[in-house]
Amino acid sequence: AQSVTQLDSQVPVFEEAPVELRCNYSSSVSVYLFWYVQYPNQGLQLLLKYLSGSTLVKGINGFEAEFNKSQTSFHLRKPSVHISDTAEYFCAVVNAGNMLTFGGGTRLMVKP
Amino acid sequence: KAGVTQTPRYLIKTRGQQVTLSCSPISGHRSVSWYQQTPGQGLQFLFEYFSETQRNKGNFPGRFSGRQFSNSRSEMNVSTLELGDSALYLCASSFVQATVSYEQYFGPGTRLTVT
Repeated sequence: AQSVTQLDSQVPVFEEAPVELRCNYSSSVSVYLFWYVQYPNQGLQLLLKYLSGSTLVKGINGFEAEFNKSQTSFHLRKPSVHISDTAEYFCAVVNAGNMLTFGGGTRLMVKP
Repeated sequence: KAGVTQTPRYLIKTRGQQVTLSCSPISGHRSVSWYQQTPGQGLQFLFEYFSETQRNKGNFPGRFSGRQFSNSRSEMNVSTLELGDSALYLCASSFVQATVSYEQYFGPGTRLTVT
């Protein structure tokens, strides 16, 4: 089964600075990848997805991610973060039968 | 469209009891999946239902079960509760076309506390 690894458990950053949250997946012939965000006491919200096609994927709230097959990575980026982006972010891959396998999560802490 | 709804949002139960959680998917979504989220184990897949049939099951004991109704609503049941079952239980629905599922949309979760 495919797996994902989120390399950073916490990422502190100042408001208006750029941020990159790292995600690596185990290699496979084809892979569907997702980034979700979870705000305190809420469920998961889909930020963006990679199913096929363009390797640069744009999502909601100004986030984007780049699928890199040679590096087996799917890093999430935002050029300028806001206080409201403080949340936990999860990278996920689909395994057989629509089962999502999640990384351990990265807590993004945006400081004023 | 209304999103995925889960009831109840919060639940406190005692060890040994059983509990039933409910999930209503987005209209038109026929696949419903359940996940358990804990601080120690993170997000783990429980099972997926499609057209009233369990298609996949994660690595959980038989105390965890579920079902899906003809209107795609789903319930999960946990019997003989243990302290370790305390978690946020998330339900997700997805659209299926020709057996291929697409992205999953999550509900707000049910926070279960076992004392």
